[in-house]
Amino acid sequence: DQQVKQNSPSLSVQEGRISILNCDYTNSMFDYFLWYKKYPAEGPTFLISISSIKDKNEDGRFTVFLNKSAKHLSLHIVPSQPGDSAVYFCAAKGTNFGNEKLTFGTGTRLTIIP
Amino acid sequence: NAGVTQTPKFRILKIGQSMTLQCAQDMNHNYMYWYRQDPGMGLKLIYYSVGAGITDKGEVPNGYNVSRSTTEDFPLRLELAAPSQTSVYFCASNRAGARETQYFGPGTRLLVL
Repeated sequence: DQQVKQNSPSLSVQEGRISILNCDYTNSMFDYFLWYKKYPAEGPTFLISISSIKDKNEDGRFTVFLNKSAKHLSLHIVPSQPGDSAVYFCAAKGTNFGNEKLTFGTGTRLTIIP
Repeated sequence: NAGVTQTPKFRILKIGQSMTLQCAQDMNHNYMYWYRQDPGMGLKLIYYSVGAGITDKGEVPNGYNVSRSTTEDFPLRLELAAPSQTSVYFCASNRAGARETQYFGPGTRLLVL
């Protein structure tokens, strides 16, 4: 049972335009969400997070939006740059569970076209 | 800080062989994790540890063992390698706290033939 879903395996975006990556979750106990970025032959690196008490969190070119009623979050990258080409993983956890375990989606490969 | 380090970077094993994947962190993190990533899939949790001497199973623990004798090290043991264990393995760690970020190592690519 895939509790965190990224339904788009890949996405291509022109440089300078907006990239929108989507993520859906099914477990209503999840209350903290993260995006990780992964380059080939490297480990994932943390990008941005959002708590369920917020609906938006912004960090420079990156903004994450959370729609709790729809159990949906999205990552917006504006403007997109060639260095943003990577695989992006959405992850979630329930902070009331008393543990730190993350549940990951399957990832979306973003390609920025110069 | 070196962060999270993993050795080896790449290994080929024959079916039935055993090996230990090494993971170390120098950030004094209590929590450590082992994940595997198969092609086109997300990261699946194999085992995790909340401190020295304490380990617990994750989502896909079969065929693996772990130990945590120190805060810094969290080795993953494969006793009888099988082709299904061909994957990329990532180690991660974080400080205690519900919203603490997990930091990942560079990964070990394992091929079982």
